[in-house]
Amino acid sequence: ETGVTQSPTHLIKTRGQQVTLRCSSQSGHNTVSWYQQALGQGPQFIFQYYREEENGRGNFPPRFSGLQFPNYSSELNVNALELDDSALYLCASSLDSGLAYEQYFGPGTRLTVT
Amino acid sequence: GQQVMQIPQYQHVQEGEDFTTYCNSSTTLSNIQWYKQRPGGHPVFLIQLVKSGEVKKQKRLTFQFGEAKKNSSLHITATQTTDVGTYFCAGDRRLRSGYSTLTFGKGTMLLVSP
Repeated sequence: ETGVTQSPTHLIKTRGQQVTLRCSSQSGHNTVSWYQQALGQGPQFIFQYYREEENGRGNFPPRFSGLQFPNYSSELNVNALELDDSALYLCASSLDSGLAYEQYFGPGTRLTVT
Repeated sequence: GQQVMQIPQYQHVQEGEDFTTYCNSSTTLSNIQWYKQRPGGHPVFLIQLVKSGEVKKQKRLTFQFGEAKKNSSLHITATQTTDVGTYFCAGDRRLRSGYSTLTFGKGTMLLVSP
């Protein structure tokens, strides 16, 4: 196991609602990346936080937002949920963001939007 | 933007047979990483390749990085049922911030029959 934890494990929400997902990074890691993995697809990069600052974002709309806290844990917030937001949300921590360091993935949060 | 493609999407082999998955990028990569995701699990880091033409071995697994650093392969010799899972390659992508993240391929799902 990687030491990266995520909560909750599963979540069911209704279209239009808002959701907050949480991630605790591995000890010593200052970088957290969030990914969305649809069924049968590879993880898609949402954004990355390095020392509490967002330092990169993939092709996701502004209703996907995040935070990183001083202890390097992180939150992913999604507003105005859509059916297509149903997916496995993975966070991954790494030692640094300067290079593509090994990503330590958490177990993920399975979000279902009905 | 950068795209990472993997083939085949799916392969079913008999235990003891060999298996190879190929990864191709539309742009030159700084490095490439390989991950394995078991059914119902999360991606787990296998290896990182950095140098042009690099070959690395882990027991029955052999990883190669192409001379032009635009393609890579993973070869498994004498598959076992424990090799079942989806294998992803992920290429380093430089963000506007100057930091890096990973662009994942769609993965190759491997099934091994005893």
